[in-house]
Amino acid sequence: EAQVTQNPRYLITVTGKKLTVTCSQNMNHEYMSWYRQDPGLGLRQIYYSMNVEVTDKGDVPEGYKVSRKEKRNFPLILESPSPNQTSLYFCASSHTSGSYNEQFFGPGTRLTVL
Amino acid sequence: EDQVTQSPEALRLQEGESSSLNCSYTVSGLRGLFWYRQDPGKGPEFLFTLYSAGEEKEKERLKATLTKKESFLHITAPKPEDSATYLCAVPHFGNEKLTFGTGTRLTIIP
Repeated sequence: EAQVTQNPRYLITVTGKKLTVTCSQNMNHEYMSWYRQDPGLGLRQIYYSMNVEVTDKGDVPEGYKVSRKEKRNFPLILESPSPNQTSLYFCASSHTSGSYNEQFFGPGTRLTVL
Repeated sequence: EDQVTQSPEALRLQEGESSSLNCSYTVSGLRGLFWYRQDPGKGPEFLFTLYSAGEEKEKERLKATLTKKESFLHITAPKPEDSATYLCAVPHFGNEKLTFGTGTRLTIIP
């Protein structure tokens, strides 16, 4: 089944404890992206990647890191999480290398930073 | 700066009562406009892509239209299962960012 998977789905952590949220897609897609969704602010793009080893900042990249060493995986790293990073996170992928095509979203990761 | 604004923020309709959702945008060069549906606790699901003014697309009770400044999602004779948040999104011109509107939360009352 074609899908985007994220792990973990739920995470409660404490301020400053490094964490990684994994994202994997099995559709051989080139474009992958991370978003956070907050009430009243909608979906905001954190980082995106047009292909392996090619990443760029979205609208809210502060406090996050990403890497794209393999085409299928695009982990989101929070080196020192803070409470303002409590949010619902979505990973998405698209079969072209640009943002001008439909994106397939993962199921989301709900992160709470205490 | 590219911006996407959706209205209304929330809309409650009786089953069978048709209406429209609005997505207005300001971008340097339009490369497309997307509509997504999002159910509570789930990731957005793609509905439509519109690429040029005057274009229309339909799917069941939904029809999306595009002008040079805005897009409408028309819902005809909605059913309770159409209840969801509807999001529009626009890719940036000059880079590969994607900007979403804050969505319209649609509730269809049986």
